[in-house]
Amino acid sequence: EDKVVQSPLSLVVHEGDTVTLNCSYEVTNFRSLLWYKQEKKAPTFLFMLTSSGIEKKSGRLSSILDKKELFSILNITATQTGDSAVYLCAVGTSGTYKYIFGTGTRLKVLA
Amino acid sequence: DTGVSQNPRHKITKRGQNVTFRCDPISEHNRLYWYRQTLGQGPEFLTYFQNEAQLEKSRLLSDRFSAERPKGSFSTLEIQRTEQGDSAMYLCASSDHGAFFGQGTRLTVV
Repeated sequence: EDKVVQSPLSLVVHEGDTVTLNCSYEVTNFRSLLWYKQEKKAPTFLFMLTSSGIEKKSGRLSSILDKKELFSILNITATQTGDSAVYLCAVGTSGTYKYIFGTGTRLKVLA
Repeated sequence: DTGVSQNPRHKITKRGQNVTFRCDPISEHNRLYWYRQTLGQGPEFLTYFQNEAQLEKSRLLSDRFSAERPKGSFSTLEIQRTEQGDSAMYLCASSDHGAFFGQGTRLTVV
């Protein structure tokens, strides 16, 4: 059965810290991996990754995919209280249209 | 607002009633998804449309759930004979690359 596992489940840091969130997957026929930020509402799209080793960046957020070791990381540098959210990872596979989500990492950034 | 729009935002219904939710995707997206999310969990796939064709449906979806996208634009999700276990956030997403979610409809079955 295809699965997506995120770690840690939760994380508390102070403003200015750098955090690394992990997403590992076991799926057949990997197609793409998506990262989302979810506050008290629907998930907001952050990144889509399809190729190994190519970093995607948006401001203080960056992400990279390792298709050999079957994981992705999401880095947030110089964290701010507004980064507090649940970060979700989702994997799409060939042969199906759905994305399989992990349970998320809950990040809390303290002032 | 050109994002994904869902209505209503909240719905409280009595057990046994039928409910219908609407999703208006981003206009140029022909792919549309419905997901369900409960507290502390990631979204769970329900069904997928490409234009008006429903191409995939979760095996977890009971016969009480039905979805349509009659003209390949907006979509509706209907739940018949609601049960308390149906209480969740129902999320719609549309896609070209990646999937963009609407604000969701929070259903509470009492």
